[in-house]
Amino acid sequence: QVQLQESGPGVVKPSGTLSLTCAVSGGPVSTHNWWSWVRQSPGKGLEWIGEVSHTGDVTYNPSLKSRVTISVDSSKNQLSLTVNSVTATDTAVYFCARANDGYSHFDYWGQGTLVTVSS
Amino acid sequence: QSALTQPASASGSPGQSITISCTGTSDDIGTFDFVSWYQNKPDKAPKLIIYDVYQRPSGVSNRFSGSKSGKTASLTISGLQAEDEADYFCGSYTSSSTPWVFGGGTKVTVL
Repeated sequence: QVQLQESGPGVVKPSGTLSLTCAVSGGPVSTHNWWSWVRQSPGKGLEWIGEVSHTGDVTYNPSLKSRVTISVDSSKNQLSLTVNSVTATDTAVYFCARANDGYSHFDYWGQGTLVTVSS
Repeated sequence: QSALTQPASASGSPGQSITISCTGTSDDIGTFDFVSWYQNKPDKAPKLIIYDVYQRPSGVSNRFSGSKSGKTASLTISGLQAEDEADYFCGSYTSSSTPWVFGGGTKVTVL
């Protein structure tokens, strides 16, 4: 059973950098799957941030592309998310998730981690 | 505003059935049969309960069923139980600027 666990600072200052890690257990990240980051702002729906393949290929949401970096580290079996120049609108619960082999849905999710942007 | 539209809340008594809608566009639900539903409980990882419109993963109760008509997908929970209280959100593959879109989530309350 694949499990995902997000971790990182719960509070980030405005204009600072948000950095999160998603540890994967129960299976390698070096599979033919795409790994995504998704966030849910308070009282709002879920927003797809971007994804990374086991080879390091990435795709980003155009609305966030200029501030976001996603990477994968096969040696540590984890993926990472960095968001630069954060504002209060980046306050959200951040999830990592794995797309299934057929790329039609997400079969595994982390439980999410709340990041608050505040001074 | 979410890309897919869901009602904010739904409720029913134990044993009843409820249906949650998820409305998209011709870029997503209207074209692709890659609609999925997830159950999200506090402090738990979202759980896949329906994929490819109506398929159930192994281990998911057959009280959960999915369907689609045009640009609207639906999740039906039959024989509602207290343990079904949760947020439910839909997702879809899309041909727009991002590959995935999600709904805003529906909070299900068992009365």
